[in-house]
Amino acid sequence: GAVVSQHPSWVICKSGTSVKIECRSLDFQATTMFWYRQFPKQSLMLMATSNEGSKATYEQGVEKDKFLINHASLTLSTLTVTSAHPEDSSFYICSASGSAENTEAFFGQGTRLTVV
Amino acid sequence: DQQVKQNSPSLSVQEGRISILNCDYTNSMFDYFLWYKKYPAEGPTFLISISSIKDKNEDGRFTVFLNKSAKHLSLHIVPSQPGDSAVYFCAAREGMDSSYKLIFGSGTRLLVRP
Repeated sequence: GAVVSQHPSWVICKSGTSVKIECRSLDFQATTMFWYRQFPKQSLMLMATSNEGSKATYEQGVEKDKFLINHASLTLSTLTVTSAHPEDSSFYICSASGSAENTEAFFGQGTRLTVV
Repeated sequence: DQQVKQNSPSLSVQEGRISILNCDYTNSMFDYFLWYKKYPAEGPTFLISISSIKDKNEDGRFTVFLNKSAKHLSLHIVPSQPGDSAVYFCAAREGMDSSYKLIFGSGTRLLVRP
């Protein structure tokens, strides 16, 4: 299957700082990328959907000024957690799709963010 | 309100027997359903999917059944192997073209006992 690479796999940061997470599609052009967040023992919660070259669409309850998403190219999307707080600590996962027919929605490895 | 529900948080099965994981949904507009397997601290990996126009899809040891009238789908794994132990997420596709998104259930943790 297609490969989606997410970096870093884990990060620890101080409260008040910003953290950037990258999501790359390595062998296909990702027209759409999705960002999810998973709390312990809970489901994957969709945060936002981004299409290359346009603004991300955020789900209800997700602060767009806190979780900045950039999808500047067909192979790269970034999620920046701004002014991180301990409650932002979570597991963040991206997925990428090349088209509507690609229903497999390949996932990255995830990023464990810990804010101290 | 959860649109995709996996009511069993965990399931334990003996190796070699069948594992049946269930999923219910409420939105009749979902047109595609997928099952993902997830290990701790990793992203989900795709297992199998089914279109809403079908009622069964089989791939090796994995079979997904869809009952549209009951808004219910299930994943059958047979024979179950210890390596199948993981969390399984059911997902439904909402929307069309480039605006689609996946709605996930809460997951079922499967343990296959040797």
